[in-house]
Amino acid sequence: QKEVEQNSGPLSVPEGAIASLNCTYSDRGSQSFFWYRQYSGKSPELIMFIYSNGDKEDGRFTAQLNKASQYVSLLIRDSQPSDSATYLCAVMDYGGSQGNLIFGKGTKLSVKP
Amino acid sequence: ETGVTQTPRHLVMGMTNKKSLKCEQHLGHNAMYWYKQSAKKPLELMFVYNFKEQTENNSVPSRFSPECPNSSHLFLHLHTLQPEDSALYLCASSQVGIQETQYFGPGTRLLVL
Repeated sequence: QKEVEQNSGPLSVPEGAIASLNCTYSDRGSQSFFWYRQYSGKSPELIMFIYSNGDKEDGRFTAQLNKASQYVSLLIRDSQPSDSATYLCAVMDYGGSQGNLIFGKGTKLSVKP
Repeated sequence: ETGVTQTPRHLVMGMTNKKSLKCEQHLGHNAMYWYKQSAKKPLELMFVYNFKEQTENNSVPSRFSPECPNSSHLFLHLHTLQPEDSALYLCASSQVGIQETQYFGPGTRLLVL
């Protein structure tokens, strides 16, 4: 069974620090990777997607993908209290008739003022 | 209305009730999804519809019955639910074959008494 693993946390960082969130996946053939942010009581919202090995930057967020090691990470620079949320890693699975996302359990991030 | 909308936002029902959840997407996407999110568990994919055709039924009990009359609307009909069905039910949509990023609605918080 294809799996996506995340440390559930909570991960606590001080305001202004870099938060590093990690995710590993079991299917070596996976090609598409997504990071969602979910505030308590809200639905997931897309932060970034990444398809190629290396880094992808968008503002304070950087996604890093290493397909050989089967991990994808999300770095948040200059962390703010408003970044406190659960971050969900998702991997696209093309094993069925179309691509479907497999989600990890999420990492809870707490940014302390 | 923009994005993905869901109604109702909150629902309390008894085990003998029949109710329906509604989802509407305004993004021009061709695929829609139902997910269940319970505490401490990853998002669970329930059903997938692609161009109104159901392409995935992830071993969901028959007390959950999906309906997709067109590519913009998705329903989840509920009957004789169990207390363990209490969860956040999320609808999502995507454009299959293009980017395939899934966008989520706000969810329906369901409590079964």
